[in-house]
Amino acid sequence: QSVLTQPPSASGTPGQRVTISCSGSSSNIGSNPVNWYQQLPGTAPKLLIYNNDQRPSGVPDRFSGSKSGTSASLAISGLQSEDEADYYCAAWDDSLSGCVFGPGTKVTVL
Amino acid sequence: QVQLVESGGGLVKPGGSLRLSCAASGFSFSDYYMSWIRQAPGEGLEWLSCISSSGSTIFYADSVKGRFTVSRDNAKNSLYLQMNSLRAEDTAVYYCARDSPPSPWGGADYWGQGTLVTVSS
Repeated sequence: QSVLTQPPSASGTPGQRVTISCSGSSSNIGSNPVNWYQQLPGTAPKLLIYNNDQRPSGVPDRFSGSKSGTSASLAISGLQSEDEADYYCAAWDDSLSGCVFGPGTKVTVL
Repeated sequence: QVQLVESGGGLVKPGGSLRLSCAASGFSFSDYYMSWIRQAPGEGLEWLSCISSSGSTIFYADSVKGRFTVSRDNAKNSLYLQMNSLRAEDTAVYYCARDSPPSPWGGADYWGQGTLVTVSS
């Protein structure tokens, strides 16, 4: 069972906005930066968001992150077919002295 | 450009050992924390371990503590994962990744392509 909680799936039509939640605790999200990863089928994960809301160079601004307390969210606006992928949140956990990943959310573009 | 290339995966019997390597290029390897992360078939990502830039600080997930050992050779720009007492549940694709600040985990900003480890008799 994951320390971080994510919905198993999310979906939307092209152009819609989709939001994925990531819930944790005071020892992880509550006290450390959250990052988000996109994993397209058959490929290695790619960093999408770091430090809660920062986008690495090359990541479209359709992707945005936020954090409040012990929860974080990833929003995809203007959903596109190429956004169909698995999305994972992650954060350092001070109690475990290790990184924890959420179980992942599969985004489907209808 | 940053490149991470894993090697050393393969088929191993339960109880056996395997050593994975990760060759890094395109950045100052000795300046970064590095991590190992795995993904079992059809499953999510599981962080395993990270090692500081000098190698003096190492963290492990409970699932591999005492069985896996991470090390690095900054002169060779290489990261290693020694895996002992392997079990069927260790079957996964193993990724090495570069950690971005703030360490020990600001996020894995570059990943290798992964190497498959299969533990089966």
